[in-house]
Amino acid sequence: KQEVTQIPAALSVPEGENLVLNCSFTDSAIYNLQWFRQDPGKGLTSLLLIQSSQREQTSGRLNASLDKSSGRSTLYIAASQPGDSATYLCAAPAGNMLTFGGGTRLMVKP
Amino acid sequence: KAGVTQTPRYLIKTRGQQVTLSCSPISGHRSVSWYQQTPGQGLQFLFEYFSETQRNKGNFPGRFSGRQFSNSRSEMNVSTLELGDSALYLCASSWTGGQPWNEQFFGPGTRLTVL
Repeated sequence: KQEVTQIPAALSVPEGENLVLNCSFTDSAIYNLQWFRQDPGKGLTSLLLIQSSQREQTSGRLNASLDKSSGRSTLYIAASQPGDSATYLCAAPAGNMLTFGGGTRLMVKP
Repeated sequence: KAGVTQTPRYLIKTRGQQVTLSCSPISGHRSVSWYQQTPGQGLQFLFEYFSETQRNKGNFPGRFSGRQFSNSRSEMNVSTLELGDSALYLCASSWTGGQPWNEQFFGPGTRLTVL
């Protein structure tokens, strides 16, 4: 059974800092891993999808890495902005469903 | 392309009632999954439909059911509502053509409150 853990659960940083969000998973036999953003009371917005054959994926100020052998993925946010404040979730597929981590609640202070 | 749409966005029901939620996937997507999100349990998988067939089901009681139509739109139904069913219900769609798993796109959710 796939289990996904995210550390830290919450993070508060001043604007402009570079930061790293961590995601670990127990079953390394995954096809891909997906990172999402969720604003309060809203749905999930897909940020990045990393295929198992890739080691990194970049979109703007976001960079995600995947290390299947160690069961870890990281989301790097460069030059954080107040608009980045949200909950970030990683999800690993298990069969035909996604298993989600508990999320990291990020607050970027102006 | 229009995104995933869910209706209604908000619902208030009382215990014992039943409710039906609707999800329209992105055009061309054939897989629809449903998730329940609560503060205590996080995001939990309910079920997934592909070409009108349920392919996978999460660990929820039989009061939770769903179906998918030929145009890939999906509905989920919850009967005999309980207070604990209060949650954000999220629908996700994907193409799932060829590869076992494709990128999932989520709708805005339906906020269900059971009084």
